[in-house]
Amino acid sequence: KEVEQDPGPFNVPEGATVAFNCTYSNSASQSFFWYRQDCRKEPKLLMSVYSSGNEDGRFTAQLNRASQYISLLIRDSKLSDSATYLCVVKNNNNDMRFGAGTRLTVKP
Amino acid sequence: NAGVMQNPRHLVRRRGQEARLRCSPMKGHSHVYWYRQLPEEGLKFMVYLQKENIIDESGMPKERFSAEFPKEGPSILRIQQVVRGDSAAYFCASSTPGLASNHEQFFGPGTRLTVL
Repeated sequence: KEVEQDPGPFNVPEGATVAFNCTYSNSASQSFFWYRQDCRKEPKLLMSVYSSGNEDGRFTAQLNRASQYISLLIRDSKLSDSATYLCVVKNNNNDMRFGAGTRLTVKP
Repeated sequence: NAGVMQNPRHLVRRRGQEARLRCSPMKGHSHVYWYRQLPEEGLKFMVYLQKENIIDESGMPKERFSAEFPKEGPSILRIQQVVRGDSAAYFCASSTPGLASNHEQFFGPGTRLTVL
């Protein structure tokens, strides 16, 4: 598989910190993203992933090009964070490859 | 600005019939991508098109499946002689022109195909 993720499910209490990992096989991959998909809905962009690491509120994404590894950290989990998180890699021909997703359930 | 539109949202076909799925990209987007998602699985890339051109069809099954994006009108994903294994959600995404690697793909709501 081009993009591999731990499928989970991750079941965590509200307020917990949870981390998702992803590896990709194509060393020529250009861009990296995390998408979120709610049950029976379309995927929506959560954040892009940059080599220097980037943060958006409670979400932190990191990329290690040498290890071909991407991570997403969610701090202070909310009930509304329950979803499937998709690791996405874009190749130099502009099409994207999705991981199978990691399912997260945040419980009260 | 309307998002990516797909129709129908739900489609039921009997084995052997044809399925036509339509996708209208966001205004100003000329790149269209089709993905298939089987139940409890991730999205699988099928085909990438620009107007009147297929750029990458490496994910398309070799038989029964075809896609087009004409100069006018929506992109069409066509499945001939459907089989039960074609039952899935088919998502279309669009993005802006150019090869900027960080161009986001915006997804439509999907078409859920059920083959009886």
